Amino acid sequence: GEDVEQSLFLSVREGDSSVINCTYTDSSSTYLYWYKQEPGAGLQLLTYIFSNMDMKQDQRLTVLLNKKDKHLSLRIADTQTGDSAIYFCAEKTGGYQKVTFGTGTKLQVIP
Amino acid sequence: DAGVIQSPRHEVTEMGQEVTLRCKPISGHDYLFWYRQTMMRGLELLIYFNNNVPIDDSGMPEDRFSAKMPNASFSTLKIQPSEPRDSAVYFCASSLTGTKYTQYFGPGTRLTVL
Repeated sequence: GEDVEQSLFLSVREGDSSVINCTYTDSSSTYLYWYKQEPGAGLQLLTYIFSNMDMKQDQRLTVLLNKKDKHLSLRIADTQTGDSAIYFCAEKTGGYQKVTFGTGTKLQVIP
Repeated sequence: DAGVIQSPRHEVTEMGQEVTLRCKPISGHDYLFWYRQTMMRGLELLIYFNNNVPIDDSGMPEDRFSAKMPNASFSTLKIQPSEPRDSAVYFCASSLTGTKYTQYFGPGTRLTVL
């Protein structure tokens, strides 16, 4: 079955690194994603990783994938107050375009 | 591109009334999704369409909810009759085959049922 879990809340100080974790259950996942939701807005794709990769870096963002443990993480370097948002992990499994979203992690950045 | 457009942005209604939420997907996208977001249950997929055809409506809570997609550029989600527990933010999203399944979300409709 498809199930994506995340911790609900993370608080970090401005300038520190943030690490948001996610576990998923479907080993056949092809793509895994991180979406960001700012207050009062819809979700927006932040980055994705293909299942045959271990790591992907994009400026301040680093995605790590451990397929053996079905664990995905998002590291944000030099976290800024503008990074305060809810971050959703998501996985693509099966046919069609359906994506299963996690519970979301609310990141609070303290100035 | 204008992105996914949803209307209204806010809706306040009384219990028992009919509510219709509207969505215009990104032009050319062939998939459309309706989600509901609440504090208690997080983000739930209600239904999705491919080329205007409903593919999976197993997330629709009950018969009070219905969704239609009469053409490629318009979809509605209707709640009749509405109940206070339907209060939530409803999102519409669209995607295009062959683009790594990326979904583009609208700004959402915040529904309050009194």
